Amino acid sequence: AQSVSQHNHHVILSEAASLELGCNYSYGGTVNLFWYVQYPGQHLQLLLKYFSGDPLVKGIKGFEAEFIKSKFSFNLRKPSVQWSDTAEYFCAVNKAAGNKLTFGGGTRVLVKP
Amino acid sequence: SAVISQKPSRDICQRGTSLTIQCQVDSQVTMMFWYRQQPGQSLTLIATANQGSEATYESGFVIDKFPISRPNLTFSTLTVSNMSPEDSSIYLCSAPRASGGGNTGELFFGEGSRLTVL
Repeated sequence: AQSVSQHNHHVILSEAASLELGCNYSYGGTVNLFWYVQYPGQHLQLLLKYFSGDPLVKGIKGFEAEFIKSKFSFNLRKPSVQWSDTAEYFCAVNKAAGNKLTFGGGTRVLVKP
Repeated sequence: SAVISQKPSRDICQRGTSLTIQCQVDSQVTMMFWYRQQPGQSLTLIATANQGSEATYESGFVIDKFPISRPNLTFSTLTVSNMSPEDSSIYLCSAPRASGGGNTGELFFGEGSRLTVL
């Protein structure tokens, strides 16, 4: 069975700091990779996704993620965070042929103004 | 993008009772998924609801506890039966996003139904 692990449960940083959230998955086949974000009081929204092609994908709000197949990783980055980036971030994976998403444990990010 | 609406958005329930959560999608979808997000936890898939067939449950979840209906391609219900405080969670409905007639592999989520069991 596939699994997803996120390295950090909580991250606290100041505005303008750089953010990197780690995500590793275990599945040997072809996968689709996602980062979802849940802002306080809001529903899950897609931040970015990787299906194929350029392993560096860019999403909304200045986020990007890099797929490194050899490391089974899909880390999320943002060069300079804002207070409004305070949220919980979930990495998720599904098999190329299916839709069932497996989520990581989530990382709560708090950006101090 | 698809719009998914759930109701109730929140409820407070008594131990031993059952509650049915409804999920409406604004477009026809083959599969719908029900997830649970327990307090401070990530999302765990309960089951996949397929139209015209029985739902497929994940390990640790059974039909008697979480019966699911899928009467058509835009609607599903999840019932949480004989509730206990451990069932206090957010229950989320999701559906795939389609584009050009094909499946993108991406899921849209409803806003969730927050259940508190006393």
